[in-house]
Amino acid sequence: GAVVSQHPSWVICKSGTSVKIECRSLDFQATTMFWYRQFPKQSLMLMATSNEGSKATYEQGVEKDKFLINHASLTLSTLTVTSAHPEDSSFYICSAPKGLDEQYFGPGTRLTVT
Amino acid sequence: ILNVEQSPQSLHVQEGDSTNFTCSFPSSNFYALHWYRWETAKSPEALFVMTLNGDEKKKGRISATLNTKEGYSYLYIKGSQPEDSATYLCAATGNQFYFGTGTSLTVIP
Repeated sequence: GAVVSQHPSWVICKSGTSVKIECRSLDFQATTMFWYRQFPKQSLMLMATSNEGSKATYEQGVEKDKFLINHASLTLSTLTVTSAHPEDSSFYICSAPKGLDEQYFGPGTRLTVT
Repeated sequence: ILNVEQSPQSLHVQEGDSTNFTCSFPSSNFYALHWYRWETAKSPEALFVMTLNGDEKKKGRISATLNTKEGYSYLYIKGSQPEDSATYLCAATGNQFYFGTGTSLTVIP
């Protein structure tokens, strides 16, 4: 099956710094990628839809200036958490769909802000 | 936007018991229904994708059914085992994926 990678798998950063998370589709092209966040004891929450060649679409309540998304190519989307704070500590997952029948998830990134 | 709901929110069963849970979705603007098995801090594992009314899929002890007319899908686990403990997510596809809130299953040895 298709593979989606994420890097890094875990990161610890200091409050006020920025962190970049990469999502790559390794064996297929994805014009769209999705970024999710998992809150403790809750399900995946869609944060934004990353669109190759155009601006990302953010879900209601997600600050676009804080969570910068860039879809630089058909195989790479990046999520940058700017000026991170402890409340941004979470598990972030990306996914890339192949049509409407299949969606492939990355392994996730555990972010801890101290 | 598709409003996808799952019930129950959490479930505890004894090892060996069979169990089932529900995913409901609006029947209009529907394309496909997906079930995922998700362990915390890991990537969700795809279980099934179904598109046609009356579809039934089976994978080992786990099976799923789909009713697109009334907008629901059931996931069944026969003879639950401790390793089945996880969150089971459903997602409905309209023009994108919309996830339910998940059913957290704990199988007690």
